[in-house]
Amino acid sequence: DGGITQSPKYLFRKEGQNVTLSCEQNLNHDAMYWYRQDPGQGLRLIYYSQIVNDFQKGDIAEGYSVSREKKESFPLTVTSAQKNPTAFYLCASSARDRGYQPQHFGDGTRLSIL
Amino acid sequence: DQQVKQNSPSLSVQEGRISILNCDYTNSMFDYFLWYKKYPAEGPTFLISISSIKDKNEDGRFTVFLNKSAKHLSLHIVPSQPGDSAVYFCAASGRNTGNQFYFGTGTSLTVIP
Repeated sequence: DGGITQSPKYLFRKEGQNVTLSCEQNLNHDAMYWYRQDPGQGLRLIYYSQIVNDFQKGDIAEGYSVSREKKESFPLTVTSAQKNPTAFYLCASSARDRGYQPQHFGDGTRLSIL
Repeated sequence: DQQVKQNSPSLSVQEGRISILNCDYTNSMFDYFLWYKKYPAEGPTFLISISSIKDKNEDGRFTVFLNKSAKHLSLHIVPSQPGDSAVYFCAASGRNTGNQFYFGTGTSLTVIP
């Protein structure tokens, strides 16, 4: 059963601590994305990757970092430089070899500050 | 700068009636538009899409209309069912967006039994 798995579902961070959110997909998609959702603000793009070992900053990349060492994995690190990390984080993927294709989303990780 | 806008944060409709959700965009280079449905604490689920070469796309109870001259799209749900109650996001992409998708802020639909 293909899909996107995000873990953990809930995550708590102490002040000054880095945390890493996991995103794994078995859809064989080339492109992967990280979004942040805040109340009333829709989805804002943090980082995206169109191919292994390559990624680009989205609209709100400051305080975040990513890696794309494997096609199926795109972890997001929320660093201590991100001053307002409390949000719902969504990972998505899409195919790129057949024209426009919709993004498929994971079920999200809710990050809170202790 | 919000390139995709959903100006109605919420909408209530009686069961069996039509739900119409609206979305406006500003980038004339967008040529692929999507609607997603989202339940609380879950990821968005793809509903229906339309490319700019069409002005209508239908899938069961869901129809998306695109008016390129007005830079406006809408999602019609007929008939509305209580299970349709969710937040609906529109999204857009285009050849000049580097494979990025731009999302609206969402409309919360409540279908009243």
